[in-house]
Amino acid sequence: AQSVTQLGSHVSVSEGALVLLRCNYSSSVPPYLFWYVQYPNQGLQLLLKYTTGATLVKGINGFEAEFKKSETSFHLTKPSAHMSDAAEYFCAVIQREGNTPLVFGKGTRLSVIA
Amino acid sequence: DAGVIQSPRHEVTEMGQEVTLRCKPISGHDYLFWYRQTMMRGLELLIYFNNNVPIDDSGMPEDRFSAKMPNASFSTLKIQPSEPRDSAVYFCASCGTGLSEQYFGPGTRLTVT
Repeated sequence: AQSVTQLGSHVSVSEGALVLLRCNYSSSVPPYLFWYVQYPNQGLQLLLKYTTGATLVKGINGFEAEFKKSETSFHLTKPSAHMSDAAEYFCAVIQREGNTPLVFGKGTRLSVIA
Repeated sequence: DAGVIQSPRHEVTEMGQEVTLRCKPISGHDYLFWYRQTMMRGLELLIYFNNNVPIDDSGMPEDRFSAKMPNASFSTLKIQPSEPRDSAVYFCASCGTGLSEQYFGPGTRLTVT
């Protein structure tokens, strides 16, 4: 069975600093990978996804993630944090051509300090 | 497209009352999911449907919970009777043909007193 591990339930960065949110998956075959963002009192919104092709994926709001098969990772980064980036971030995976839905990580809450 | 629509956005009810949450998925999407989110347990998948048929309800916590999808554009999640521990935010999500990324509604915040 697939699983997703997000290292760190809470990450705090200063405004303008690098954002790095970690995600590792457990799967015998590389899955499709997603990052979602949840702003306060809202639903989850797709930030970016990796299915095939270029392993560096760019998403909305300046975020990007890189699929590294050798490390079974899909870490999310942003060069310069903004106050508006404060939110909960979820990594999710789904088996390629599978018949089971997305498996979500437990989420990482990002705080941005002025 | 209006996205996934959920109603009501907020619901406050007393213990023992019946609660019905509603969801309208994105038109053309074949899959519909119901989730529950709490601080303690995080995001939990309760049940999902494919073409209006329940596929996996193993996440439904108790017999007090039931979900239906009478047609492609409407689903309900019912709790009867409700208990204070059911207080949570309930999300509905949908996705298109072939399980892939899901699109979430804004959620229903349920408070049971």
